[in-house]
Amino acid sequence: NAGVTQTPKFQVLKTGQSMTLQCAQDMNHNSMYWYRQDPGMGLRLIYYSASEGTTDKGEVPNGYNVSRLNKREFSLRLESAAPSQTSVYFCASSGTSGSADTQYFGPGTRLTVL
Amino acid sequence: KQEVTQIPAALSVPEGENLVLNCSFTDSAIYNLQWFRQDPGKGLTSLLLIQSSQREQTSGRLNASLDKSSGRSTLYIAASQPGDSATYLCAVPSRNYGQNFVFGPGTRLSVLP
Repeated sequence: NAGVTQTPKFQVLKTGQSMTLQCAQDMNHNSMYWYRQDPGMGLRLIYYSASEGTTDKGEVPNGYNVSRLNKREFSLRLESAAPSQTSVYFCASSGTSGSADTQYFGPGTRLTVL
Repeated sequence: KQEVTQIPAALSVPEGENLVLNCSFTDSAIYNLQWFRQDPGKGLTSLLLIQSSQREQTSGRLNASLDKSSGRSTLYIAASQPGDSATYLCAVPSRNYGQNFVFGPGTRLSVLP
């Protein structure tokens, strides 16, 4: 099993450009998450999907949109990138929603917005 | 709002030492706590998940304890090895955002050969 995979691994954008971060899991998990990790701020939840067909805002959703394409895939879109969105983005999945279960993380996408 | 802090922020020890990492949280109404490891440039890997009823969980050289009443957890690493060098994060449930985890900032550990 590959676990949780993310593409791309690195990306550089100019301010105002758009892009989509892709995430897929092969563990048949119901729940998926997008986090960002910044120095001194720790990991913060952007959006989550408790089950296929549902998405909800996390702590820092502004400037992002998500799509739960099917049970395996959960994408994160930046419509108009800003320098404040420079960060490392992690996708995660778990069998059940919330913190009742272990979350499995992907390797991350390192995004720089100039 | 649940807040999580970790002390120390960084720690450097010689190989073979036993060490303790600390995690504190402000809202003690939690039902579990989880410790993760993050290697440089990588994602997080779950180490231990402690249910509030368990108070303690062990895996190999790792032992994690949970004291809800004081809002604290400790991760004990016995006989540290250079391969233990990583950042260790604790996470607790939040009352918001679908009861998802709130993460601490992490302790960066370096074990010197």
